Amino acid sequence: DQQVKQNSPSLSVQEGRISILNCDYTNSMFDYFLWYKKYPAEGPTFLISISSIKDKNEDGRFTVFLNKSAKHLSLHIVPSQPGDSAVYFCAASDNAGNMLTFGGGTRLMVKP
Amino acid sequence: NAGVMQNPRHLVRRRGQEARLRCSPMKGHSHVYWYRQLPEEGLKFMVYLQKENIIDESGMPKERFSAEFPKEGPSILRIQQVVRGDSAAYFCASSPGTDWAGYTFGSGTRLTVV
Repeated sequence: DQQVKQNSPSLSVQEGRISILNCDYTNSMFDYFLWYKKYPAEGPTFLISISSIKDKNEDGRFTVFLNKSAKHLSLHIVPSQPGDSAVYFCAASDNAGNMLTFGGGTRLMVKP
Repeated sequence: NAGVMQNPRHLVRRRGQEARLRCSPMKGHSHVYWYRQLPEEGLKFMVYLQKENIIDESGMPKERFSAEFPKEGPSILRIQQVVRGDSAAYFCASSPGTDWAGYTFGSGTRLTVV
């Protein structure tokens, strides 16, 4: 039972354009959401997060949007840069806070 | 300030052998989490430990897998009698508390069972 899903395994975007990565979840107990970026042979690194009491959080080129009624979140990267090419994971936590539940990841390729 | 240190980075074991994966959390971090990533999949939670205590092991397979975080030294994830299906990347994360913003991952140990 996949509680967090990233339905696009890959995304290709031109440098300078917007990248939009999507994530859906099923567990209504999730109240905190995070995006991680992962390069090959490295661990995930934290990008940005959002609490369920908000619908938007922005940090530089990265913005996360949360639609609780649709159980959907998205990560916008604008403008996209070649260095953004990596696998992006969304993750969710409930208020027990013992673990993160990850989606399967989306591989982003930003072409120069 | 060193990050989360995992060793070895790569580990090859024959079927039936034991695998020991080590994780040294960041300085000041007393919470350790282990995750497993199978090829082409996301990370799956295995176990959450604090010093000398297992807090949540709901993601651990019932047999052959164990974890500890002793008072002194690194956290150890132990897999006995490894099978080919145990081949995966194993990631450790640490945090100073339950604040997700402080949650930091190590670079992982890639286990290959031959």
